[in-house]
Amino acid sequence: QKEVEQNSGPLSVPEGAIASLNCTYSDRGSQSFFWYRQYSGKSPELIMSIYSNGDKEDGRFTAQLNKASQYVSLLIRDSQPSDSATYLCAVNGWGKLQFGAGTQVVVTP
Amino acid sequence: GAGVSQSPSNKVTEKGKDVELRCDPISGHTALYWYRQRLGQGLEFLIYFQGNSAPDKSGLPSDRFSAERTGESVSTLTIQRTQQEDSAVYLCASSSHFDEQYFGPGTRLTVT
Repeated sequence: QKEVEQNSGPLSVPEGAIASLNCTYSDRGSQSFFWYRQYSGKSPELIMSIYSNGDKEDGRFTAQLNKASQYVSLLIRDSQPSDSATYLCAVNGWGKLQFGAGTQVVVTP
Repeated sequence: GAGVSQSPSNKVTEKGKDVELRCDPISGHTALYWYRQRLGQGLEFLIYFQGNSAPDKSGLPSDRFSAERTGESVSTLTIQRTQQEDSAVYLCASSSHFDEQYFGPGTRLTVT
């Protein structure tokens, strides 16, 4: 079992719609959770961090954390073509971040 | 402020040669990480430095790979006797105590 699991996609989202990305993790002791965006040919860019249960909003992005269910999600509202990228979920575990394989998002005009 | 920098941005080498990749972390960041990302694949953890503690080398794929870091500054990743399967983008990241990792632009290594 992988420590951090994500659907690989691609997740196709119409422009203006909400993209919903999910991530589950295995280490119940994890305390820090992150979402990174990676454009093709570029390095990962940190877009959201969340440390406590509930929702955290930053612009068009909302991260949701449920530690009891070991689940973290990312919502992208009003999706734009520039949001087309691979989104990596990362979870602090055993002293270092464990990364999921990423979900590819394609926003169609 | 300045982000994580890496050099060179691209490196083409012949099979069997040694290569050295450099990472300059964000000033004040105590932790530094090296990852490998093969084309179309996820991030593969290689090694982790935290302050003056012994590095976590658990991700190094073979003894051809080694890394050094002097204090909380520059790190070098060395690959000896390169093989074609070493071709990948090598990414460096640094973080402070909040665990948020910030990535450099990467070094694209091609072994011919």
